[in-house]
Amino acid sequence: KAGVTQTPRYLIKTRGQQVTLSCSPISGHRSVSWYQQTPGQGLQFLFEYFSETQRNKGNFPGRFSGRQFSNSRSEMNVSTLELGDSALYLCASSLVGRGLAGDSVLDNEQFFGPGTRLTVL
Amino acid sequence: AQTVTQSQPEMSVQEAETVTLSCTYDTSENNYYLFWYKQPPSRQMILVIRQEAYKQQNATENRFSVNFQKAAKSFSLKISDSQLGDTAMYFCAFMMFFGNEKLTFGTGTRLTIIP
Repeated sequence: KAGVTQTPRYLIKTRGQQVTLSCSPISGHRSVSWYQQTPGQGLQFLFEYFSETQRNKGNFPGRFSGRQFSNSRSEMNVSTLELGDSALYLCASSLVGRGLAGDSVLDNEQFFGPGTRLTVL
Repeated sequence: AQTVTQSQPEMSVQEAETVTLSCTYDTSENNYYLFWYKQPPSRQMILVIRQEAYKQQNATENRFSVNFQKAAKSFSLKISDSQLGDTAMYFCAFMMFFGNEKLTFGTGTRLTIIP
């Protein structure tokens, strides 16, 4: 079974531009989470999507947004890029997220993709 | 809010020796999961081991084992017979049991295995 894939792997942008990163989860996985990794702030949770709905959101400005498609693939977008947005962006998928009704069995092992290295100049 | 603390920024150990990485966390939750992730130079995050808080038995995975002390909110990772391939950043992480796929990570411990 193929792992989590992220595209592109490397990206260079300039301040003020916007960027879209893509994540394809493991087949059958319905939950996709995004994390930002920087030397200064470490690993920080951005948001999580399940069934095309954002269920959880971290403490990031509105310039960071995302979405999930019906096939569970997810994209995240960063608008008006700042130098501080330079980071490794990691996507993780898990088999079953808790359903909106809150009674699904949870299999929460998260499988991470290789990441997208974003450099903002 | 949950916090995870790893107080050892860097560690090194001779190949074949045993090393223990420390992690403490803070939460008011009673049910939760704890994880150790490994991130080698390739940057690929790999799950090493996980522990459900409601289980009293410490988790083990081959050469990796944990010492989970729920009352003390401590979750250390022991690597036995360390190998060169164990060289990596190790992150301790917390996840609530219900309704949340969010991982809260510690700052990591850089482990170097010396040949």
